[in-house]
Amino acid sequence: GAGVSQSPSNKVTEKGKDVELRCDPISGHTALYWYRQSLGQGLEFLIYFQGNSAPDKSGLPSDRFSAERTGGSVSTLTIQRTQQEDSAVYLCASSLHSGVNNQPQHFGDGTRLSIL
Amino acid sequence: SQQGEEDPQALSIQEGENATMNCSYKTSINNLQWYRQNSGRGLVHLILIRSNEREKHSGRLRVTLDTSKKSSSLLITASRAADTASYFCATQRSGGSNYKLTFGKGTLLTVNP
Repeated sequence: GAGVSQSPSNKVTEKGKDVELRCDPISGHTALYWYRQSLGQGLEFLIYFQGNSAPDKSGLPSDRFSAERTGGSVSTLTIQRTQQEDSAVYLCASSLHSGVNNQPQHFGDGTRLSIL
Repeated sequence: SQQGEEDPQALSIQEGENATMNCSYKTSINNLQWYRQNSGRGLVHLILIRSNEREKHSGRLRVTLDTSKKSSSLLITASRAADTASYFCATQRSGGSNYKLTFGKGTLLTVNP
């Protein structure tokens, strides 16, 4: 079975442009997470989706960031009016259930975003 | 924000030696997990230890957890060059929002052939 798939693997864009990052979780995984990894801040939680429940968006750093998950599967993370501080690796993970069941999270290889 | 710290930040050893990495955290937890990250790749789950467990083994990996000290250690025995990677501990807290992983800053392990 395929793992978590993210696209694009690399994205270079100019400051002020919008970007869209995609995540395909492992089939059957109901929980999906986005994290951001940067040199200054390390690994940070961004957003969590579980089934049809309202997502936990508490980790999104600003209102320029949004995410959706369509049909309980594929997720897209959108960053509007990108800034240089948005440069980071954006990692997606999925798991069978949420953390209460002590399930490990399975990560994709990430999208490396560079804002010029 | 980071949950805690790993130490050392970097560790360089010879193939065949053992590597020990430590992790501290701040809140009450459901479990603590260790992940490995090779350069340019995503995180690979290594092992999960629950808050009511004190030690766990998986192959060449041994993890301990001391909830009274809010600390954990990861021991890799008989290291190989292929073990070269960054290692992160991550916790899932008890109580609300317990699905989030909160990561340490990682230990960069280099195993020299």
